[in-house]
Amino acid sequence: DGGITQSPKYLFRKEGQNVTLSCEQNLNHDAMYWYRQDPGQGLRLIYYSQIVNDFQKGDIAEGYSVSREKKESFPLTVTSAQKNPTAFYLCASSIGGGVTGELFFGEGSRLTVL
Amino acid sequence: AQSVTQLDSQVPVFEEAPVELRCNYSSSVSVYLFWYVQYPNQGLQLLLKYLSGSTLVKGINGFEAEFNKSQTSFHLRKPSVHISDTAEYFCAVSASHASGGSYIPTFGRGTSLIVHP
Repeated sequence: DGGITQSPKYLFRKEGQNVTLSCEQNLNHDAMYWYRQDPGQGLRLIYYSQIVNDFQKGDIAEGYSVSREKKESFPLTVTSAQKNPTAFYLCASSIGGGVTGELFFGEGSRLTVL
Repeated sequence: AQSVTQLDSQVPVFEEAPVELRCNYSSSVSVYLFWYVQYPNQGLQLLLKYLSGSTLVKGINGFEAEFNKSQTSFHLRKPSVHISDTAEYFCAVSASHASGGSYIPTFGRGTSLIVHP
């Protein structure tokens, strides 16, 4: 079945450490996105990519980095510069660069900083 | 930039009662509108979407929404809810992002629907 796979589902990190969240899709979608979800704040866009080897900052990109070397993969690195990284992270994809905006989501990764 | 307001953070309702979850958005020349549902510790699933045409949109699980351009609203309704409808519901608006050209969804803060037996 086609879909989006995020790993790990749960991740614990010590302060000062970088951590990378994986996102893989087999839907043949051009566009991929990373959102951060905090209670009561909805989803906030971190980064998005419309084509391979290109990506754009979203509304809260500071302290995060991404790469898009393959169409299927869009990993997110949470760096030590991110001041409050504990959150639920959602990866999504869409057809054709998001013209209609309809997104397909992974199951999410919950990051906890100890 | 687009903004989306979900007026209620939590909506409690009894099983088999009707429900309306409210959503308003900031005006734009052209927008696409969506409702998504999220069950605990899961990703979001699309309930329904408005792209063009009829202002009344029907989705999965018996939900429907009405696009009202003059009031910039896209309220979600269900005539009779079930316990299994208990979840977080997000309204989203897709419009051209600040970088131009592409349509990137902006999400509301979510409404928690709690269905009591």
